Amino acid sequence: DAGVTQSPTHLIKTRGQQVTLRCSPKSGHDTVSWYQQALGQGPQFIFQYYEEEERQRGNFPDRFSGHQFPNYSSELNVNALLLGDSALYLCASAWGNTEAFFGQGTRLTVV
Amino acid sequence: QQQVKQSPQSLIVQKGGISIINCAYENTAFDYFPWYQQFPGKGPALLIAIRPDVSEKKEGRFTISFNKSAKQFSLHIMDSQPGDSATYFCAARGVPDKLIFGTGTRLQVFP
Repeated sequence: DAGVTQSPTHLIKTRGQQVTLRCSPKSGHDTVSWYQQALGQGPQFIFQYYEEEERQRGNFPDRFSGHQFPNYSSELNVNALLLGDSALYLCASAWGNTEAFFGQGTRLTVV
Repeated sequence: QQQVKQSPQSLIVQKGGISIINCAYENTAFDYFPWYQQFPGKGPALLIAIRPDVSEKKEGRFTISFNKSAKQFSLHIMDSQPGDSATYFCAARGVPDKLIFGTGTRLQVFP
């Protein structure tokens, strides 16, 4: 079992650009959530996908969008990148409302 | 009401000692309280979790104590080891199931 896998591991983007991050959930998991973790902070909930629909959303602007595919994998898109978007982006998967397992994250640096 | 307050911010413990991290919450709708361990550059790893109908849960050297009336819960690490040095996050799951994280406790265990 590969667990939750995220790609890429690291990414450097310029202000104003767009970025797409990818997540493959743990085998058997159908729910994917995305979190943003700024340096020295706890993860902040961005949104959650279930059955290819956004089920709920945290306090993040519309520049943050996502998608879930029929195989339960997911993408996080961020448009018009700001310096403040620099963070570790974490994907977590779960089956129903069972324990959530996190991936290793994608470290995004906006310059 | 959606906050989870965590203390202390940092903790230094000698090898073999007991590490104690405390968390408090306001929202009585939270139904699940996990603790995550995170090493630098890695995603959070689920350590142990408890539901509000249980007052204590023990797994190996790790114990969660839960006080529903006080809306507080804590993590106790017995016989702390240098390998336990990491950042620990408490969290609470709301309805529907998104995780609200504490601000983290950086634990250092010295030999």
